[in-house]
Amino acid sequence: QFQLQESGPGLVKPSETLSLTCTVSGGPISNYYWSWIRQPPGKGLEWIGYLYYSGTTDYNPSLKSRVTISFDASRNEVFLDLSSVTAADTAVYYCVRAYGASWGQGILVTVSS
Amino acid sequence: IVLTQSPGTLSLSPGERATLSCRASQSVTSSHLAWYQQKPGQAPRLLIYGPSTRATDIPERFSASESGTDFTLTISRLEPEDFAVYYCQQYHQTPLTFGPGTKVDIK
Repeated sequence: QFQLQESGPGLVKPSETLSLTCTVSGGPISNYYWSWIRQPPGKGLEWIGYLYYSGTTDYNPSLKSRVTISFDASRNEVFLDLSSVTAADTAVYYCVRAYGASWGQGILVTVSS
Repeated sequence: IVLTQSPGTLSLSPGERATLSCRASQSVTSSHLAWYQQKPGQAPRLLIYGPSTRATDIPERFSASESGTDFTLTISRLEPEDFAVYYCQQYHQTPLTFGPGTKVDIK
């Protein structure tokens, strides 16, 4: 059974880039889609985008100009970069297998100076 | 695809039946709809997908059905651990989208 663990800074300054890592254990990241989903405090869920191990990506049009999802198969890690962040990007960020089959515990990222 | 969930809040007692609705703004072919449960401070947990197949270890009291663009999650008899927020999600096309959620709280 897959286990996912998000890591990265919990505080990012406005206009900077938010960078998170998802470490996957319990199986290789190959043959699956890997998504990032976020949830602002007290609000609903927003799909950020996904990556297939072949390298194919698809992003939410609302974030597409600022998002990059990538991976390192040798380390079984998936990465999220979100540039030019503002307070509106403050949220719990989840790493997710496929559309929602397995979820990490989430990491709260606050955008503040 | 916009998903609308109703009601926003459902106040029930343990042992009662809960019926949650999710309506899609357009067809979700191949039944690519899922339901999730989220408790405070926790990640969402996949309950049902496809749209009526229970995920691993999900009790039989959870069931789901579809009728066109209308989807329903039913909890036959509420247990204390079932009081939570429930989201529907479509994964038929990108961007993947979620409904706003239904909160099931204790009456």
